[in-house]
Amino acid sequence: GIQVEQSPPDLILQEGANSTLRCNFSDSVNNLQWFHQNPWGQLINLFYIPSGTKQNGRLSATTVATERYSLLYISSSQTTDSGVYFCAVNLVQGAQKLVFGQGTRLTINP
Amino acid sequence: KAGVTQTPRYLIKTRGQQVTLSCSPISGHRSVSWYQQTPGQGLQFLFEYFSETQRNKGNFPGRFSGRQFSNSRSEMNVSTLELGDSALYLCASSRSGQGTEAFFGQGTRLTVV
Repeated sequence: GIQVEQSPPDLILQEGANSTLRCNFSDSVNNLQWFHQNPWGQLINLFYIPSGTKQNGRLSATTVATERYSLLYISSSQTTDSGVYFCAVNLVQGAQKLVFGQGTRLTINP
Repeated sequence: KAGVTQTPRYLIKTRGQQVTLSCSPISGHRSVSWYQQTPGQGLQFLFEYFSETQRNKGNFPGRFSGRQFSNSRSEMNVSTLELGDSALYLCASSRSGQGTEAFFGQGTRLTVV
């Protein structure tokens, strides 16, 4: 089956720093999403980005579908950015079946 | 616009019992999918329902089952609970599945003792 690999697994930064999270996937996909999991477990949607580049405030994401990777950029990190970030891909035509990476745990220290 | 609602939020069950979890999708969304999250296995797909039909199923034993009602609300059931079923169960809704954006509920945290 498809493999989704996220790197790095852990990232510790000081407040104000910038970060780049990477998601590699092993097959063609028809959907890619980035999520932030809050301390209570809910997955918060960050980006729906099968291809191209999107920006939302301090966050932006780029997916290069032909090269099978996606990047999530966080600029001017804040302590509230801490948590686990997941990318997930969907490759099944006609159905919804997300395959998740193992996540990147981001810790922003004040 | 209300989000995805999962009930209950927390459950404690005894090994051997059965449990039913509920998920109400975003209004207008017809696809509901379920995921299990554990520290060891991460987030894994259980199954997806669309228009009351199971459209896709993950690699879980038959003790895990689900259904969808005509109003798109979905339930999942786990019978003969095992300690290893302790997990966060997340439900996602999307407009049609087929790669459309998925939105997740807050999850149900199940503990089997």
